[in-house]
Amino acid sequence: DIVMTQSPTSMSISVGDRVTMNCKASQNVGSNVDWYQQKTGQSPKLLIYKASNRYTGVPDRFTGSGSGTDFTFTITNMQTEDLAVYYCMQSNSYPFTFGSGTKWEI
Amino acid sequence: EVQLVASGGGLVQPGSSLKLSCFASGFTFSDFHMHWIRRAPKKGLEWVAMIYYDGGHNFYADSVKGRFTVSRDNSKNTLYLEMNSLRSEDTAMYYCARYRNNVDFWGQGVMVTVSS
Repeated sequence: DIVMTQSPTSMSISVGDRVTMNCKASQNVGSNVDWYQQKTGQSPKLLIYKASNRYTGVPDRFTGSGSGTDFTFTITNMQTEDLAVYYCMQSNSYPFTFGSGTKWEI
Repeated sequence: EVQLVASGGGLVQPGSSLKLSCFASGFTFSDFHMHWIRRAPKKGLEWVAMIYYDGGHNFYADSVKGRFTVSRDNSKNTLYLEMNSLRSEDTAMYYCARYRNNVDFWGQGVMVTVSS
C-alpha cells in the first residue's frame, strides 16, 4: 500500500498567516493527490483535486502543488473559519490512502 | 441538492454484524463509483471500500477484507456496507462518498460503536 506521510501534525497559527503542509508518498502517484478539510462535527470537504486544481467554490487562498511523491498545500491569509484538520489522499491506486492529518489551531 | 444520507449505525458487541445503508439523491447515482471511508475517535481518515458505478468491481482495505462487503442497488439509489465479525477497532464514524474523477462529496456519516 502507498503510505502518505503528512507534516506537520499540528501547529498554532494566527489569523492572516500563510500556512503550508506537506505530503510525501512512498511511491510515485503522479498528480493523483487530493486535499480535504474536516471541521469538527462535519464531514470532510474536497478543496484541491489532482494536486493543484481548486474544487468548485473553494476560495483562491487555498492552493496545491506537486507531483510524483512530493505535494504541498498552502493557505494564504488564514481565516478563523479555516481552523480544521486537513488531509491529503492519494487516489492513484487502490487502496486509496490518507495522510495522518494536519490540525491548525489558534 | 446532492445528498448522501447514511443509516444503520449503532452499538454492537464484538463479533457481531451490522449493515449500513447510504441513500443518494440530487444526482444520477448510477453514474458514480461509491466509497466508504471511516474516522475512528481521535484518529485520522481511513479508506474502507469502494464499488464501481455498475457494481462490477470492488476494492477493500486490508483491515476489512474478508469481513466487510460493499454492494449497491442502483434502482434504489442506495449503497450498502455489510460488516461482519466486528472488532473494537472498527469503532468509527462511517462516511459514504461519491467518486467520478475525484471523491467530491461525502455524506454526513453514521456512527458504529463496537463494545461489550
